[in-house]
Formats: sequence, structure tokens, C-alpha cells
Amino acid sequence: QLVLTQSPSASASLGASVKLTCTLSSGHSSYAIAWHQQQPEKGPRYLMKLNSDGSHSKGDGIPDRFSGSSSGAERYLTISSLQSEDEADYYCQTWGTGIQVFGTGTKVTVL
Amino acid sequence: EVQLVQSGAEVKKPGESLKISCKGSGYSFTSYWIGWVRQMPGKGLEWMGIIYPGDSDTRYSPSFQGQVTISADKSISTAYLQWSSLKASDTAMYYCARPLYSSSWSTAFDYWGQGTLVTVSS
Repeated sequence: QLVLTQSPSASASLGASVKLTCTLSSGHSSYAIAWHQQQPEKGPRYLMKLNSDGSHSKGDGIPDRFSGSSSGAERYLTISSLQSEDEADYYCQTWGTGIQVFGTGTKVTVL
Repeated sequence: EVQLVQSGAEVKKPGESLKISCKGSGYSFTSYWIGWVRQMPGKGLEWMGIIYPGDSDTRYSPSFQGQVTISADKSISTAYLQWSSLKASDTAMYYCARPLYSSSWSTAFDYWGQGTLVTVSS
């Protein structure tokens, strides 16, 4: 079964970096994912598509502070130089034959 | 500029029917699938289903099969999500979203609508 696992929360200080993890279920380590940001009271915003080899393509206007990487079944989103507007929920998404799946989301708090 | 513009918030009673819409512009509407995603209050994103407006090919998540109907009118570049009999548990924000690549829905969603809040209460 295709499942994405995310930690419920993460926090870091203003100006610091935070690294979020999205883990693919067993047998799906070659899958690409996408990262989306959802700021409070707003709709999701596409950040990037991240492949298993770590290559990624970002959405229009996404700052360089957002980067992606991969290792095995884990997909990462690193936010550098944290800004107050980065305080949001971050969801990963993947897809398989006949299915789309979202992770449960990670709430990022900027201290 | 690609845009997905959804219809406004709705307040309904249990048992009532409802159809909400998502109008696409700035791209070839018939060449891209359009998906629907539910977000219940305080919860995460759930994929409901997806339609290809070019030929109305529709797929549903098993969790939503039989609970909702997805349709599209390509003449007005609009996709729909409808309920025949709403329940209180349908209270949620609903988003439409477009996949990254034309003619394929096995990929990331890169454009999202602004959301439609549906409240079902007696």
C-alpha cells in the first residue's frame, strides 16, 4: 500500500534552517513526490516535484531557500533562512497506478 | 497565467444536494486532468477523484466512490463536484487542482484553486 509518513511538527528559529522528511512506504522507494505549502487560512501552494535521485523542479516564484533532496525512501524539504511567512503546514504528495496520496502534513513553527 | 477559480462558500442542510465548480483558464482545459481534494476542519488533504475534461474519463478514490460525482463541461472550461444528499460529515474545504503534465494525472498537482468551504448543518 502506497503511504507517505510525515512528522506532525517541526520548529526552528527565524533565520535558521529546518529539514522536513517524507517517507515512502516499503516497496515504493523509487517514487517521486511533490511538496506543497499551506499557510494559515490559505489553500495549498505547489513548491516542487522531487525525484528519487534528488533532482527537483520548483514551481514558479518559489524562493531558492526551498530545496529538496532524496535518500532511499526518504524525501526531504529543506527551508533555509527561515522567514516568518514560512510558518505553515507542509504536505508531501505522491501518485501510483490509479491513486493519488498525501502525507499527513508537518506543521512548521518559526520561533 | 494558469488559474483555477472555484465557486463560493455554501451552507446547506443535511439531505440537500450541492454542486460546486472549478473554472480553469490560461491553459488548454481539455488537455489536463482536474482533481478534487478534501480538507476537513483541522485535518490534512485527501484525494477524492479526478476527471479528464477532454473525454470526461473520471476516476475516484475508493474512499469517495459512490459518495460524490465529478463532472466537467468543457464548453465553459469548468469542472464540478456534486453531492446528491449531504451529510454533516461533508463539512470541509474542497480544492480543485491541476496536474503538472497534460494528458497525465500520475504526477504532482502544480496549480490549486482557492477552495470552496462547504458547511452542512441543521
